[in-house]
Amino acid sequence: DADVTQTPRNRITKTGKRIMLECSQTKGHDRMYWYRQDPGLGLRLIYYSFDVKDINKGEISDGYSVSRQAQAKFSLSLESAIPNQTALYFCATSGRGAQDTQYFGPGTRLTVL
Amino acid sequence: SQQGEEDPQALSIQEGENATMNCSYKTSINNLQWYRQNSGRGLVHLILIRSNEREKHSGRLRVTLDTSKKSSSLLITASRAADTASYFCATDAEGSNYKLTFGKGTLLTVNP
Repeated sequence: DADVTQTPRNRITKTGKRIMLECSQTKGHDRMYWYRQDPGLGLRLIYYSFDVKDINKGEISDGYSVSRQAQAKFSLSLESAIPNQTALYFCATSGRGAQDTQYFGPGTRLTVL
Repeated sequence: SQQGEEDPQALSIQEGENATMNCSYKTSINNLQWYRQNSGRGLVHLILIRSNEREKHSGRLRVTLDTSKKSSSLLITASRAADTASYFCATDAEGSNYKLTFGKGTLLTVNP
């Protein structure tokens, strides 16, 4: 089984709808991250969490919110989806060490019509 | 803003040739990492080089780091068609609390 899973894998929705993307991990990591990827722009950090009680905004948090329900679960919500939030969304996890690498989920392709 | 910037944006080579990708960054770093992404899939970590290291090897991968020039290079030797992917550098900047900032990536195509 994959260490980092994301649901759904694909989602098409309409402008104004509320959407939740979910991420679960079995690596036992404290740190979890949400990124979005747009063509030609690489990955940009939306939110990150260093433990259950620690939530931080990333580079592009406007229009998004998150919830860290447990060490293993980190969900991303779009309260009122808009077309420019159409993108590929990735969840990632890492350990606490300064040299720890990040482990990525398979991604969620979100289309907002 | 993007910390790392890869160069070139796209690279096309023949199987067996070497591929070199470069990454430039702006601020002092704790470490620099390279990741690989197959089309539309999650990123996979390849190699990490610390700020006090100058060169590191892993299999067919060789990474160099020049902190005075704020640049890194990734060399893939004897490339294979299966190496076709996008390659990203990611920097852990000093004072960033271990967050990574990713570049825009280099798309490598290895032709059989």
